[in-house]
Amino acid sequence: EVRLVESGGALEQPGRSLRLSCAASGFSFGDYAMHWVRQAPGKGLEWVSGISWNSGSIRYADFVKGRFAVSRDNAKNSLFLEMNSLRVEDTALYYCAKDKRSSIDYDSPLEYWGQGALVTVSS
Amino acid sequence: SYVLTQTPSISVAPGETARITCGGNNMGSKPVHWYQQKAGQAPVLVVFYDSDRPSGIPDRFSGSNSGNTATLTISGVEAGDEADYYCQVWVTSSDRIVLFGGGTKLTVL
Repeated sequence: EVRLVESGGALEQPGRSLRLSCAASGFSFGDYAMHWVRQAPGKGLEWVSGISWNSGSIRYADFVKGRFAVSRDNAKNSLFLEMNSLRVEDTALYYCAKDKRSSIDYDSPLEYWGQGALVTVSS
Repeated sequence: SYVLTQTPSISVAPGETARITCGGNNMGSKPVHWYQQKAGQAPVLVVFYDSDRPSGIPDRFSGSNSGNTATLTISGVEAGDEADYYCQVWVTSSDRIVLFGGGTKLTVL
């Protein structure tokens, strides 16, 4: 059974930093691309970032470019999101999601999702 | 920039057919994926590559995509189908990225 468990969500002040983690199990983590998707309270889904199986291809939504950094550790079956210069509008539930393919170049779906980590940015 | 347009909400009686649309320029040329999100839960993939179903998804869920509109069809709607539904494509802006529609709230009367 595929399992994705996010952690690291917290209440943080604007301008500060936060690191989210996603622990994966039930599949060969190093063979698949992974993504972060967020959902602000009462709003829709918003893609944040994607990373290919070997970290060779990484992409970001424009609203996080230069502030967030995605990474992965295939030996530890883990995905990370380093969030810097946090803004109030970054407040959201952040989901980790598994791609159906190894690369982020195949127009593939996000086939499994974790339950999310809540990030609240407020002074 | 590319925009995916979904009707914010639809209501359907049990047993009837729900059709949830996702509009975008030349949609038929892009693979479309659909997600179901029930209240308080994570999204679940219900249709991918326009019309394929993941294992475990009932065949009441089907999809199509042509012209400027992709459609998720739910036949014989059940109370348990009440949820938000999102379409998703990949688009190229400065990079090739994931784009979601705004979502459609399906209410089962």
